[in-house]
Amino acid sequence: DTGVSQNPRHKITKRGQNVTFRCDPISEHNRLYWYRQTLGQGPEFLTYFQNEAQLEKSRLLSDRFSAERPKGSFSTLEIQRTEQGDSAMYLCASRDSSYGYTFGSGTRLTVV
Amino acid sequence: EDQVTQSPEALRLQEGESSSLNCSYTVSGLRGLFWYRQDPGKGPEFLFTLYSAGEEKEKERLKATLTKKESFLHITAPKPEDSATYLCAVRNQGGSEKLVFGKGTKLTVNP
Repeated sequence: DTGVSQNPRHKITKRGQNVTFRCDPISEHNRLYWYRQTLGQGPEFLTYFQNEAQLEKSRLLSDRFSAERPKGSFSTLEIQRTEQGDSAMYLCASRDSSYGYTFGSGTRLTVV
Repeated sequence: EDQVTQSPEALRLQEGESSSLNCSYTVSGLRGLFWYRQDPGKGPEFLFTLYSAGEEKEKERLKATLTKKESFLHITAPKPEDSATYLCAVRNQGGSEKLVFGKGTKLTVNP
């Protein structure tokens, strides 16, 4: 059990470019979550997968954001046409049927 | 809408000086209240889950308690390595899987 792994750790992109982040959850965890955290704030929920099905999406997840979890294993979060307001830490979490939400170390996105 | 308010925003303690962090919440039926520790540049690290008023949990120098409106994280004789941001989150009894977080309390323990 190596924990929740997120790649890349840091990403700098120009405004208007597309970016994609990857999350590898703990292998036996069937539930996967994406959160966004800006400086001085707590994490905000973006979306939730159970296995490969995306079951819940926040209103924060605009049309420029899309998340997938093919085959119910790793997940990707893509942001199209990035804006400066997208600069944040993107956190992934996973859990099994118990109550422990385990977070990864996050991907820090900077849009310049 | 579920809400979590943490106080104080920041707290400075001397090593060995005990104190408490507060988490006030409003939620449409509490399914769980979570405490996390977050170090700079890292993801939140799970500490405790509390489910019902009156429940208490302990881990080393930390003790979490829960009432119907708030939770406290008591830190006894803190050490510099306890310096971090402590986050509180709630999950409601509805069908949502999301955790609603507060903004956190930044704790600094000076040697």
